[in-house]
Amino acid sequence: GDSVTQMEGPVTLSEEAFLTINCTYTATGYPSLFWYVQYPGEGLQLLLKATKADDKGSNKGFEATYRKETTSFHLEKGSVQVSDSAVYFCALSRGGNKLTFGTGTQLKVEL
Amino acid sequence: KAGVTQTPRYLIKTRGQQVTLSCSPISGHRSVSWYQQTPGQGLQFLFEYFSETQRNKGNFPGRFSGRQFSNSRSEMNVSTLELGDSALYLCASSLVSSPGANVLTFGAGSRLTVL
Repeated sequence: GDSVTQMEGPVTLSEEAFLTINCTYTATGYPSLFWYVQYPGEGLQLLLKATKADDKGSNKGFEATYRKETTSFHLEKGSVQVSDSAVYFCALSRGGNKLTFGTGTQLKVEL
Repeated sequence: KAGVTQTPRYLIKTRGQQVTLSCSPISGHRSVSWYQQTPGQGLQFLFEYFSETQRNKGNFPGRFSGRQFSNSRSEMNVSTLELGDSALYLCASSLVSSPGANVLTFGAGSRLTVL
């Protein structure tokens, strides 16, 4: 079956540091890939998405590139802020609104 | 515009009881999906409704059920509650339910505690 694997957290960074959160997936065919973010006490918000190989999703300084050859969709940001502290979820979809999520990676950004 | 509204936000039940959770999607959205979030299992898909029809169902026992009304509002019901049903239940809506990459908008969730 489909699965998504994310790096374990928490990830603790200083403000303005570079962020990478690794995500790899297992799925048949060509799934769409997503990054969602969850702030404390809130639901999930879509951060970015990519629907085909080599697509780059980007939003609010975050980027991720759909790599079919390595089945990866790593999240990156060049300079994190304290306000980026949240839990980040990688997810895939092979159609409809059924998403398969990774376990989530908690990011803590300190001054 | 208003987001996805879930009620109640918090509730406490005892084992064996049943619970009904409600979700009002964004105006104009016809698809509603439900997810269960727990520390142990993470986020798991429960079911999806589109135009009052269940489109897809996750791997949950029959105690978990749902429905969608003609105004796209959705409810999910869990009967004979077990301790392991304690979770954050998230509802998400989208305009359509297409084979492509639908953008889901999530509500803040209903946190259920089973004692």
